[in-house]
Amino acid sequence: EVQLVESGGGLIQPGGSLRLSCAASGFTVSNKNMAWVRQAPGKGLEWVSIIYISGGTNYADSVKGRFTFSRDNSKNTLYLQMNSLRAEDTAIYYCARDVNLGVWGQGTTVTVSS
Amino acid sequence: DVVMTQSPLSLPVILGQPASMSCRSSQGLVYSDGNTYLNWFQQRPGQSPRRLIYKVSNRDSGVPDRFSGSGSGTDFTLKISRVEAEDVGVYYCMQGTLWPYTFGQGTKLEIK
Repeated sequence: EVQLVESGGGLIQPGGSLRLSCAASGFTVSNKNMAWVRQAPGKGLEWVSIIYISGGTNYADSVKGRFTFSRDNSKNTLYLQMNSLRAEDTAIYYCARDVNLGVWGQGTTVTVSS
Repeated sequence: DVVMTQSPLSLPVILGQPASMSCRSSQGLVYSDGNTYLNWFQQRPGQSPRRLIYKVSNRDSGVPDRFSGSGSGTDFTLKISRVEAEDVGVYYCMQGTLWPYTFGQGTKLEIK
């Protein structure tokens, strides 16, 4: 069964760092484009980042220079390193498969607050 | 950036009646491979989003056939032939053709 399980969310102070993980099963992450999408409380969906099969990445302007998307092929796991966190980064962060987001995880909640 | 504009933002529907919602892109979505990467997602209350339709009109596995997608160019439509109670939620369109990929603001479907 294809599955994505996110973890690593929590409460963090502004300016702090957090690393989210997304463990995949039922397929190989290095063979797929993979994405992070977030949803602020009561708001719509927002693209955060994508890592392509090639290993190249793209980032939304709102997180560029602060977030880093990586993958560990040996663990079949993706990571989103989030630095210099701001209140506006508060959201549920979803991991999803493919540019066209055919499979989603359950999400992990990040709250940036003092 | 490609702006995706959905309408209406709120859609009250009587059970068993049809529903239709629109998604308009600020520019064409045909990719260099000839495909149009326009997708529709459903997000039920308290749940993760789920893709219903990919490449304009292709239903995902397990999606009831009362859901259908259509459109071309910059105008796209999601239709539900007969609304059921489980269809309540927010529906998003998303373009996966040009980075940054972008979502519409969502159409909230409720039962009247």
